[in-house]
Amino acid sequence: SAVISQKPSRDICQRGTSLTIQCQVDSQVTMMFWYRQQPGQSLTLIATANQGSEATYESGFVIDKFPISRPNLTFSTLTVSNMSPEDSSIYLCSAQRGTNEKLFFGSGTQLSVL
Amino acid sequence: AQRVTQPEKLLSVFKGAPVELKCNYSYSGSPELFWYVQYSRQRLQLLLRHISRESIKGFTADLNKGETSFHLKKPFAQEEDSAMYYCALMFSGGYNKLIFGAGTRLAVHP
Repeated sequence: SAVISQKPSRDICQRGTSLTIQCQVDSQVTMMFWYRQQPGQSLTLIATANQGSEATYESGFVIDKFPISRPNLTFSTLTVSNMSPEDSSIYLCSAQRGTNEKLFFGSGTQLSVL
Repeated sequence: AQRVTQPEKLLSVFKGAPVELKCNYSYSGSPELFWYVQYSRQRLQLLLRHISRESIKGFTADLNKGETSFHLKKPFAQEEDSAMYYCALMFSGGYNKLIFGAGTRLAVHP
């Protein structure tokens, strides 16, 4: 199994600012994913981050709003840019060692935007 | 389009009663289905996957392609089963993607 450390665990931010969320995996993984879980809703995939290439974004999510970095096989960041109250959500990172392997999840970042 | 439907937001049962959490999917290809669970104050974790055909914590789930369902069952619920349960579908779109249902909260009462 893999252990994912995600930080910060929670933050309260002002409108118009940006927050960078970090995920560190204790072993090398092929793929990392970023999800959003809005209040009372399910998890929605934001993007897939592969090392050495640009992230692939899902419909409704753009790089300018959610820039992602994946500098190596154990680390990724997601930035929520120019935040508004609608961005208040839980953001989760997950990792997968290889195709058809199960996903491991970080503990999540609870973001509140005032 | 790929979709996972969990029709019940909340399922409330008494300890010892049978449990069935419903999950239906929509996918034109060969599906790979999972159940994830999130206990209070813990992170989301894999409960079981259909290709393993295993029983975890007394839970089983059978893929029914005819009914496009992957319902989660347990014959005798325990209080410690109380949690949020998510059904998820993995499909390949150049890379593996996992999409989740809305989730069902299972509450097991003493």
